Amino acid sequence: QKEVEQDPGPLSVPEGAIVSLNCTYSNSAFQYFMWYRQYSRKGPELLMYTYSSGNKEDGRFTAQVDKSSKYISLFIRDSQPSDSATYLCACSSTGGGNKLTFGTGTQLKVEL
Amino acid sequence: DADVTQTPRNRITKTGKRIMLECSQTKGHDRMYWYRQDPGLGLRLIYYSFDVKDINKGEISDGYSVSRQAQAKFSLSLESAIPNQTALYFCATSSLGQPQHFGDGTRLSIL
Repeated sequence: QKEVEQDPGPLSVPEGAIVSLNCTYSNSAFQYFMWYRQYSRKGPELLMYTYSSGNKEDGRFTAQVDKSSKYISLFIRDSQPSDSATYLCACSSTGGGNKLTFGTGTQLKVEL
Repeated sequence: DADVTQTPRNRITKTGKRIMLECSQTKGHDRMYWYRQDPGLGLRLIYYSFDVKDINKGEISDGYSVSRQAQAKFSLSLESAIPNQTALYFCATSSLGQPQHFGDGTRLSIL
């Protein structure tokens, strides 16, 4: 079993929809949680960086961490075609600047 | 200009060849990483370096070696390439306690 599990999708939604992307993890030592967005033929781009449980909001994006259930989520409000990409969750026990464990990524397509 | 630059962007080579992938950064970060990305397996860490004199193996280091030539430069070598090393390779950088930032990758095909 992988330490970080993520549904690969693909997930297709209409423009303007609320998107929910999720990961589960098994390592209780994870305390730092990240979401990266990856466009085709590009490197992962950091979207959200959170520590421990709780919510963090940045524009149309909200990251949510529930350590009790080992569940992390990324919500995208008012989704746009430009949000079409692969979204990767990542976890770390000692901070994002240290070793990361990635999910396999969820492919999202936002259609007009 | 990109903060993390990887060269080449694409490479096709033959089994048994020696290959070097290069990474340079202008972010001033002391930590650098090499990952490979495969469909269905995600990003896996090959090697990482916390400063010029520090090199550490990651999850899948067999068949790879690295060199940290300077704070800003970290290269990955495949001494004798084999087809199952065909993948996307990414370099990343960070500073202590901060998230990692990635380059745009090298697409490597080994025939």
